[in-house]
Amino acid sequence: EPEVTQTPSHQVTQMGQEVILRCVPISNHLYFYWYRQILGQKVEFLVSFYNNEISEKSEIFDDQFSVERPDGSNFTLKIRSTKLEDSAMYFCASSLRQGLFSGNTIYFGEGSWLTVV
Amino acid sequence: TQLLEQSPQFLSIQEGENLTVYCNSSSVFSSLQWYRQEPGEGPVLLVTVVTGGEVKKLKRLTFQFGDARKDSSLHITAAQPGDTGLYLCAGVRTSGSRLTFGEGTQLTVNP
Repeated sequence: EPEVTQTPSHQVTQMGQEVILRCVPISNHLYFYWYRQILGQKVEFLVSFYNNEISEKSEIFDDQFSVERPDGSNFTLKIRSTKLEDSAMYFCASSLRQGLFSGNTIYFGEGSWLTVV
Repeated sequence: TQLLEQSPQFLSIQEGENLTVYCNSSSVFSSLQWYRQEPGEGPVLLVTVVTGGEVKKLKRLTFQFGDARKDSSLHITAAQPGDTGLYLCAGVRTSGSRLTFGEGTQLTVNP
């Protein structure tokens, strides 16, 4: 079973510090995503990435956030100056194609739990 | 903002009972997915429905997409303790890939 892997699984950081969350999507996938889930709340879309550029982003994904695919395997989410409200589980996901239809699965990683103190 | 509302939020039943979870919106979705999420893990896809009125079965789970593509339901027959988990619906409004998630239904099946 193919899987998306994320590191770290848990990170505690001081407010104002920069954080980089790392993801290794499934190897032949072309579309990459970050979602987040604040404790007790719904999963929220942050950004999608294709062909080395952002294809869509949400209102949450402000200038503090950036994504990068530095090499052929990693996909990173950087939070430049963390705030308390950035504390959440961050999920990376990937898919072979765009859109939801039978046969196109978006695979989610197990998440990186970020705690900002 | 396209909202997906799930009901009930919490459901606790005995093994062997049937249950239905609902996912409703005032917006039309081009397609909708159901996920299951275990504590500390990411959502795992159960099914995708794309056609209004579509019904899909996955063993004891039956998924239906409303005719108007604004709502969906998940029905579980003869629930088992292994069905315990958080069930999420998520939809896409346009041809993009942005998933809008519901808040989930936490199901507990007691032996």
